[in-house]
Parts: sequence; structure tokens; C-alpha cells
Amino acid sequence: QVQLVESGGGEVQPGRSLRLSCAASGFTFSRYGMHWVRQPPGKGLEWVAVLWHDESNKYYADSVKGRFTISRDISKNTLYLQMNSLRAEDTAVYYCARDLGSGGSFYFDYWGQGTLVTVSS
Amino acid sequence: SYELTQSPSVSVSPGQTARITCSGDALPRRNAYWYQQKPGQAPVLMIYKDTERPPGIPERFSGSSSGTTATLIVSGVQAEDEADYYCQSSDTSGTYVLFGGGTKLTVL
Repeated sequence: QVQLVESGGGEVQPGRSLRLSCAASGFTFSRYGMHWVRQPPGKGLEWVAVLWHDESNKYYADSVKGRFTISRDISKNTLYLQMNSLRAEDTAVYYCARDLGSGGSFYFDYWGQGTLVTVSS
Repeated sequence: SYELTQSPSVSVSPGQTARITCSGDALPRRNAYWYQQKPGQAPVLMIYKDTERPPGIPERFSGSSSGTTATLIVSGVQAEDEADYYCQSSDTSGTYVLFGGGTKLTVL
């Protein structure tokens, strides 16, 4: 069975960095694109970033471009999100999600349980 | 910029039909997807490619799309269907993902 387990969240001061991890199991990790999606407390879903299945493309939301980096380690079946220069508005639950789309039409069939990132002084 | 617009809330009595709409200029050219999210839980895919239902999703959930509006239809609403529902699509260049603001379905 497909499982996605996020970790690495916590409380961090503005301007600092944090790296999130998403451990994948139950499927061939290298064959799927993967995303990060976040949800501020009490608010809606916001897409953050995508890594294509062949790593040929990475795309980011404008709100995180230049500050966040998505990557993966196939040998560890793990997806990462490196978050630099964190701001208060980055406070959210961060989910990793598996992509089932094709040709740039993305959608998500499996989600992790999420990890909370709080940016506060 | 491309946006997806949903009504904030829909209320229906048990057994009635709920229709949740999602409007976006690119929807005639891009598929819509629908997710259900209950408090404290991750979203669950309910409808993909406008009208398709994943395995395990009850038949009372269906989807349609016409022009710039996609619709999630819940027939014979049950108390357990009370949740937030989000539509989702991609931009026409395939470089980013959009979510609607979400609709809270209340079962009276």
C-alpha cells in the first residue's frame, strides 16, 4: 500500500531555514512526479512545488520561488523541501502528494498526513 | 492570472443533492479535479478528469464540466459527507497547480 510520511516540521524564527522530508513506500518512487502542497491554519490548500518523475522539471508557486527547493533521493525513496528565508506567511501544514497526471496536467492520488511548520519570533 | 472560484459554503438536508461549483477561464481546456477534506485529515481525491471516480469513492459522488464551470454533485447527501471540498486544475502551460478556495458542505 502506498504510504507518504512527512517529517521535519517545527517552529522556526523568520529568516531561518528548515528542510522537510517525505518518506515514500509501496510504489516505485522514481516513476512518479511528486508535489508539496501547504495549508495555513484554518485556510485553504495552496500548491507549493512539483518535481517531475524524471527530474526534468521543477516548478514553484510564485510565493516561494527563489526561497524553496524541491528535490529527491531515489536511493532513500525520499522527497525533500528545502525552505530558506522563511516568513510568517509560510506557516502551514505541509503535505507531500503523489502526482498521477501527465503532460503538465497534474493531480494527486495519495497524500501524506502533513507536517506543521510555524514561523514565529 | 488564472484562478479557480468556489462558493464558500453549501448547505443541504440529508438525502438531498448538493452541487458545488468551480469556475475558471481555463476549465474549457483543462480538467478539473475534486478533493474532500475533513477536519484534521489530508485531502482525498473524489473526482478526476472532470467526471471519473477513483476506486472506493461512493457512487453518490459525480462530476460534470461545461464551459468555464466544473461541478461536483453529491446525490443523496449523508451526514458523513460534511467536509470541505476543493477543486483543482493546472494552468495551460503545465507549470503550476491551482486550487479553488474551497467550499464547506454542511449537512443540516
